[in-house]
Amino acid sequence: GIQVEQSPPDLILQEGANSTLRCNFSDSVNNLQWFHQNPWGQLINLFYIPSGTKQNGRLSATTVATERYSLLYISSSQTTDSGVYFCAVEASGGSNYKLTFGKGTLLTVNP
Amino acid sequence: NAGVMQNPRHLVRRRGQEARLRCSPMKGHSHVYWYRQLPEEGLKFMVYLQKENIIDESGMPKERFSAEFPKEGPSILRIQQVVRGDSAAYFCASSQGTGNGEQYFGPGTRLTVT
Repeated sequence: GIQVEQSPPDLILQEGANSTLRCNFSDSVNNLQWFHQNPWGQLINLFYIPSGTKQNGRLSATTVATERYSLLYISSSQTTDSGVYFCAVEASGGSNYKLTFGKGTLLTVNP
Repeated sequence: NAGVMQNPRHLVRRRGQEARLRCSPMKGHSHVYWYRQLPEEGLKFMVYLQKENIIDESGMPKERFSAEFPKEGPSILRIQQVVRGDSAAYFCASSQGTGNGEQYFGPGTRLTVT
């Protein structure tokens, strides 16, 4: 099946810093989503971005489908940004509905 | 517009008991997915259902686990004779369609088996 790799696995920032999280995937995809799992365990949808670039406030994401990677940018980080960021993809063809998740990036933002 | 609803949010069961987890999809969504998050394994797909149909249960353990999505009412994930290894967070997601359909996740049910 499709493989999803996220980097870095852990990231520690000071409040106000910027960061870039990366997601590589091994095959073509119909769907790519970024999630934030907050300290209470809830999965929050950040972006639905199978290709192109989107922005939402301090967050933006870019997916280059032809090169099989996506980037999540967090600017002016805040302590509430702490948590785990997951990339998940839906492979093209075959059983194209289940999301395959990466292992996540654990982000800690210190005040 | 209510999101995906799951209940209970926390469930404690003794070994050998049954666990029933409920999921109500977002309004207008007819596709439901269950995922499990184990500490060492991350988030994994379990089953995909549409109303009255199991489309893909390839991620479900072969024994003790079952799922349904009846014509009326929520989707149910049922775990019989729970064991400690079933302790995990179980997430339900829903979408309007498949193949280019964004999935929205519920808050999860945290099952603890004592």
